[in-house]
Amino acid sequence: SQQGEEDPQALSIQEGENATMNCSYKTSINNLQWYRQNSGRGLVHLILIRSNEREKHSGRLRVTLDTSKKSSSLLITASRAADTASYFCATVPHNFNKFYFGSGTKLNVKP
Amino acid sequence: EPEVTQTPSHQVTQMGQEVILRCVPISNHLYFYWYRQILGQKVEFLVSFYNNEISEKSEIFDDQFSVERPDGSNFTLKIRSTKLEDSAMYFCASSESPGANYGYTFGSGTRLTVV
Repeated sequence: SQQGEEDPQALSIQEGENATMNCSYKTSINNLQWYRQNSGRGLVHLILIRSNEREKHSGRLRVTLDTSKKSSSLLITASRAADTASYFCATVPHNFNKFYFGSGTKLNVKP
Repeated sequence: EPEVTQTPSHQVTQMGQEVILRCVPISNHLYFYWYRQILGQKVEFLVSFYNNEISEKSEIFDDQFSVERPDGSNFTLKIRSTKLEDSAMYFCASSESPGANYGYTFGSGTRLTVV
């Protein structure tokens, strides 16, 4: 299966702390994307990292990609209560036409 | 910022009935997708659509499902005879390219409840 798998499944931190979520996948990819989902709501695209990139930043988000280990991490710095959500990685295989979501990490940021 | 719009946000239907879920992708996007998420489970790929035809579909997308772009702006998912296990959140997505350089823009979803 191509599907990414995130860990941890759940993460609870205090506001102001950093949150790190990891994603592992099995086959080669074109790119990897991270999405956020608030409870019962839609998926919001956060950041895309291509297979030839190693690190990318967007605001308080930092994403790394290690294609040799087939893994990615999402770091949210200085977390806020509003960051509470589920975070999913989605891998895009080389045939482009679909991608695969992991099970997600449920992040709870306590005020 | 451009959005993918899905309607309705919530639909309740009787088992065996037909439902049509509607999506308006971003206007300059060429690739369209349907995904679904059964409560508490992973988001699963259903189908991708390009140039007025299905590019790829999953094993979930059986003969009960069909997609259509009837008028150049709407992108619909039809479930011919709904089953209880079709209850899920259905997400439409669109992209300008097939994923190489851009993220996908998802709609906020339609929650389908089959009773």
